[in-house]
Amino acid sequence: AQSVAQPEDQVNVAEGNPLTVKCTYSVSGNPYLFWYVQYPNRGLQFLLKYITGDNLVKGSYGFEAEFNKSQTSFHLKKPSALVSDSALYFCAVIWGYKLSFGAGTTVTVRA
Amino acid sequence: DGGITQSPKYLFRKEGQNVTLSCEQNLNHDAMYWYRQDPGQGLRLIYYSQIVNDFQKGDIAEGYSVSREKKESFPLTVTSAQKNPTAFYLCASLRQPGSTEAFFGQGTRLTVV
Repeated sequence: AQSVAQPEDQVNVAEGNPLTVKCTYSVSGNPYLFWYVQYPNRGLQFLLKYITGDNLVKGSYGFEAEFNKSQTSFHLKKPSALVSDSALYFCAVIWGYKLSFGAGTTVTVRA
Repeated sequence: DGGITQSPKYLFRKEGQNVTLSCEQNLNHDAMYWYRQDPGQGLRLIYYSQIVNDFQKGDIAEGYSVSREKKESFPLTVTSAQKNPTAFYLCASLRQPGSTEAFFGQGTRLTVV
C-alpha cells in the first residue's frame, strides 16, 4: 500500500535561515510526488512536483525539493525562509489515481 | 477562469441528518477527490473517482457516499452513520496522474450540532 510520512509535526526557523521539511514515501514502482502549502481555512496550493527527470525540482516561491530514490525521500527546501512562509505543508504521492497525503508539517518562521 | 468550486463555505446541520457537499470543476479533469481534514491528521481520502459513473473508496469511506453522474460534479453526502462528521472537507480534481498536479477547492467546514 502506498503511504507518505512527514516525521515532523512542526518546524521552527528564523527568517533568513534555511528551511527543510521532510517527507518519506512508500510506493511500488516509480512515484509521482508533490508538495502543497495550506494557509488557514483555505484550500491547498501547489508548490512543486516530481514526475521524472532531474532529482532536484524547483517550484513556486523559491522552494525546491530533492528526490532521493535510495532513501525514498522527497524533502522540501528553501535556502532563506521568510515570515510569509509560515503555513501548513503537505507532501503527497499518487499511485494509479489514488492521491495520498502526509499528516502535514506546520512551519513557523520567526522574524 | 477555470477552477474548483465548493459550496457552501460553512454548513451547519443537526445530528442525525444527512448533508450533501457540492463540488464542481470546469477544468475538464477526469479524476475528482474528497478529503477530510482534522487537526493533526492531515488530509484523509474519503472517495475518489477516475471517470464518470465510477468511484472508489478511499481510506475513510464509512459513513459517506458519493456519485459521479457528470464529469464536472462530484457531490459528497455525509450520512447519519458518520460518527464524527464535524470537519473541514476538501475537494480536488486531477487531469491524469503524471501530467499535472491536483487542484483544490476552498473547502467546506461542516459543523454538526
